[in-house]
Amino acid sequence: GENVEQHPSTLSVQEGDSAVIKCTYSDSASNYFPWYKQELGKGPQLIIDIRSNVGEKKDQRIAVTLNKTAKHFSLHITETQPEDSAVYFCAATLNRDDKIIFGKGTRLHILP
Amino acid sequence: DTEVTQTPKHLVMGMTNKKSLKCEQHMGHRAMYWYKQKAKKPPELMFVYSYEKLSINESVPSRFSPECPNSSLLNLHLHALQPEDSALYLCASSQDWGGELFFGEGSRLTVL
Repeated sequence: GENVEQHPSTLSVQEGDSAVIKCTYSDSASNYFPWYKQELGKGPQLIIDIRSNVGEKKDQRIAVTLNKTAKHFSLHITETQPEDSAVYFCAATLNRDDKIIFGKGTRLHILP
Repeated sequence: DTEVTQTPKHLVMGMTNKKSLKCEQHMGHRAMYWYKQKAKKPPELMFVYSYEKLSINESVPSRFSPECPNSSLLNLHLHALQPEDSALYLCASSQDWGGELFFGEGSRLTVL
């Protein structure tokens, strides 16, 4: 079955700097890659997603890149702000049954 | 209305109790999900309902019993739970099976 690896598990960056979180997936049939942000005491919220026919997608300070050949995708957050502190989960959807497989999560700390 | 509403937010129950978690969405979504999330872990899929029919049961113990009374409501009936069942239970919905997930804020369950 599909397996999604996410790194790093914890990331601390200075406010204003950029943060990058990386994920790899095992099933080449996966075609949908969402990223979720989970703040303390809340449910996960979709922040950006990308489909396999696109290599990059950007939404203001957030961007996602996808390399289908290498089977990895990354989340880029620029000009980080205190409210970016949260746990971020990458995910991949198996093409055949559309079940979303989550990575283990990255706890992002934005340092003042 | 883009919300998934879960009640109660917190629940403490003994191992012999019977309780229920409730979830409601009014976005017209046809797929609804129950996830279980332990501390510092990603959400784990438990059940999926698509068009009010149970589509997926991820080998969940029978002490958890889902119910979908109509397209807007999803319940999770709990009976004879174990302390290791203590977790955050997340409800989610999507337009159709495999689409963007909208999560509720979760019900934090403690089993004594």
